[in-house]
Amino acid sequence: GQSLEQPSEVTAVEGAIVQINCTYQTSGFYGLSWYQQHDGGAPTFLSYNALDGLEETGRFSSFLSRSDSYGYLLLQELQMKDSASYFCAVTNQAGTALIFGKGTTLSVSS
Amino acid sequence: SQTIHQWPATLVQPVGSPLSLECTVEGTSNPNLYWYRQAAGRGLQLLFYSVGIGQISSEVPQNLSASRPQDRQFILSSKKLLLSDSGFYLCAWSVLEFSGNTIYFGEGSWLTVV
Repeated sequence: GQSLEQPSEVTAVEGAIVQINCTYQTSGFYGLSWYQQHDGGAPTFLSYNALDGLEETGRFSSFLSRSDSYGYLLLQELQMKDSASYFCAVTNQAGTALIFGKGTTLSVSS
Repeated sequence: SQTIHQWPATLVQPVGSPLSLECTVEGTSNPNLYWYRQAAGRGLQLLFYSVGIGQISSEVPQNLSASRPQDRQFILSSKKLLLSDSGFYLCAWSVLEFSGNTIYFGEGSWLTVV
C-alpha cells in the first residue's frame, strides 16, 4: 500500500525559509503533490511533481527525487499567512485517488 | 468554471442516528468524486472514491457508505453513527483522467456525534 512520512510540526519566523520533507512508499507512482490547509478550511492544491527536479511557483518550490522516494516543499520569504498545515500526497495503486500524509503544521511567528 | 458544493456545513447528531452528507459538482462532466475524513488535528483519510455513476470504491471498512446516483452527485451515509465518526468530512473532485494531479475540495462538513 501507500504510506507517507512528513514531520508533524515546523516553526519559523517571518522572512525565513523552511523546508518540509516527505518520504513515501508506493506500489504505483504517478507523482508527488502538495496541499495547503488553513485552520477550519479545505485543502487547496499547491504543486505537483511528476518528474525529478524542482518546480517553482512564486515563493513556493517543490522538489522530487523518484530514486530516493523523497520530496520536499520549500517556502521562502515566509509570511504570517503561511501558517497552515501542509500535506504531501501520492496516488493510490489504481491511480484514481490521492493518499495523503498526516500533514505538517507550520507556525510562522513575527 | 467548476464549483463544488457540500452540505450541511455543520451538524450535531446523536449516537445511533443516521447520516446523509451531500455533494454536487458543477461545470464539469464525468468527474472522479471522493469523500475524505479528517479527525481533529489529524491527516486526510480517503473513505470512498467513484469514477462513474454507481461505481463506488471503499478504502477503509467502516459503518459509512457512499452512493453516486447522478454523474455529479456524491452522497455519504450512515445508518447508525458512532462517536468515532466525528470529524471533518470533505468531498472532492478531479478530472476523469486523473493520473495524480489536482483534486479540488469542497468547503467541508463538520460532524459532531454526541
